[in-house]
Amino acid sequence: GAGVSQSPRYKVAKRGQDVALRCDPISGHVSLFWYQQALGQGPEFLTYFQNEAQLDKSGLPSDRFFAERPEGSVSTLKIQRTQQEDSAVYLCASSPRIYEQYFGPGTRLTVT
Amino acid sequence: GNSVTQMEGPVTLSEEAFLTINCTYTATGYPSLFWYVQYPGEGLQLLLKATKADDKGSNKGFEATYRKETTSFHLEKGSVQVSDSAVYFCALSEGTGNQFYFGTGTSLTVIP
Repeated sequence: GAGVSQSPRYKVAKRGQDVALRCDPISGHVSLFWYQQALGQGPEFLTYFQNEAQLDKSGLPSDRFFAERPEGSVSTLKIQRTQQEDSAVYLCASSPRIYEQYFGPGTRLTVT
Repeated sequence: GNSVTQMEGPVTLSEEAFLTINCTYTATGYPSLFWYVQYPGEGLQLLLKATKADDKGSNKGFEATYRKETTSFHLEKGSVQVSDSAVYFCALSEGTGNQFYFGTGTSLTVIP
């Protein structure tokens, strides 16, 4: 079946631009996670949704980062006024039950 | 707080060699422990997990035992194959499973 998909796969943004990253989870998965993975590092938690409710956003690094999942399915991570330190791979994972995550391929964001 | 420390790579082994990748953790409670694998060009995939002390997770010939006394979850495989070449991430989650903490990853290359 279809896995988690993310788009775009690659995004180059000039410093100061806004970007929007999309995640299409596996159908029926209640939970959705966003992670940021810097080069040579492990994924770091950003935020978590259960259906449309954002239950944890403690990992968002600044108020320039915003995530939504308005209908409990597709999610968008938006970064306003991008900075060079935002360059990373952004991973989305969906989950049907506790401790079971399915990851997408990620979006590689490069801020120039 | 919660954190995961894994041995630094890269690790290069010959086919059929024995593999150990060390992972230790710090947690405030009683976490569940995981190994994820990321093959080139693909998203992270769950390799195995253990949810309580002394549990052994196993999959595809890989094993890891949850050792509470040494706060460790080392990954082992008796005979690696070229197809095992990937990056391996140790991770933990506790409580409601809403947050995962990942190590920095260990790159493994298996040569014929």
